[in-house]
Amino acid sequence: SQKIEQNSEALNIQEGKTATLTCNYTNYSPAYLQWYRQDPGRGPVFLLLIRENEKEKRKERLKVTFDTTLKQSLFHITASQPADSATYLCALDMSGSSASKIIFGSGTRLSIRP
Amino acid sequence: GAVVSQHPSWVICKSGTSVKIECRSLDFQATTMFWYRQFPKQSLMLMATSNEGSKATYEQGVEKDKFLINHASLTLSTLTVTSAHPEDSSFYICSASSPGTGSTDTQYFGPGTRLTVL
Repeated sequence: SQKIEQNSEALNIQEGKTATLTCNYTNYSPAYLQWYRQDPGRGPVFLLLIRENEKEKRKERLKVTFDTTLKQSLFHITASQPADSATYLCALDMSGSSASKIIFGSGTRLSIRP
Repeated sequence: GAVVSQHPSWVICKSGTSVKIECRSLDFQATTMFWYRQFPKQSLMLMATSNEGSKATYEQGVEKDKFLINHASLTLSTLTVTSAHPEDSSFYICSASSPGTGSTDTQYFGPGTRLTVL
């Protein structure tokens, strides 16, 4: 079965630096991959979606890459700020069809220190 | 746009009672809603997928008779935890998706409901 690994349970970096989070999967390449932000006691908030035929996607200070050969996605936050501190989840599409199921990684808890 | 609400935000109940959690899409029609549960420091685990007007599809290991899901309209889905036990205590989160939100692949999540069973 498909497995997702976010190989850093926690990441602590200095404000202003670039945070890089990793998401790896084990089996078939999904049609798309998503990144979400989750704050304590809250539901996830959608950030970015990248499809299997896209190498890179950007949104303001966020950048996501998708390497189907390595079976990996990288999520970057440039010029990080303390307000970026949260848990970041990657999620994979399970079927490739619209409104399909997605499965989540365990998340990386990012802390940005001033 | 694409706002999803849940009610209640938290609930405490006695063991053996039933609890109903509502999930509403406020500004769009949700053809599909998903229910997840999340234990502390763990990821979201999909419990079931529901499409408006049809029976929910449950994930393996999720008891459909214990977790009753109703998706009676395009803006409302409910999850009822029947005969709740302390091990059902968790954070329950719903999400909704719809072609009308701009992306059929994006799920919009509610704020979650914290259930504590005593």
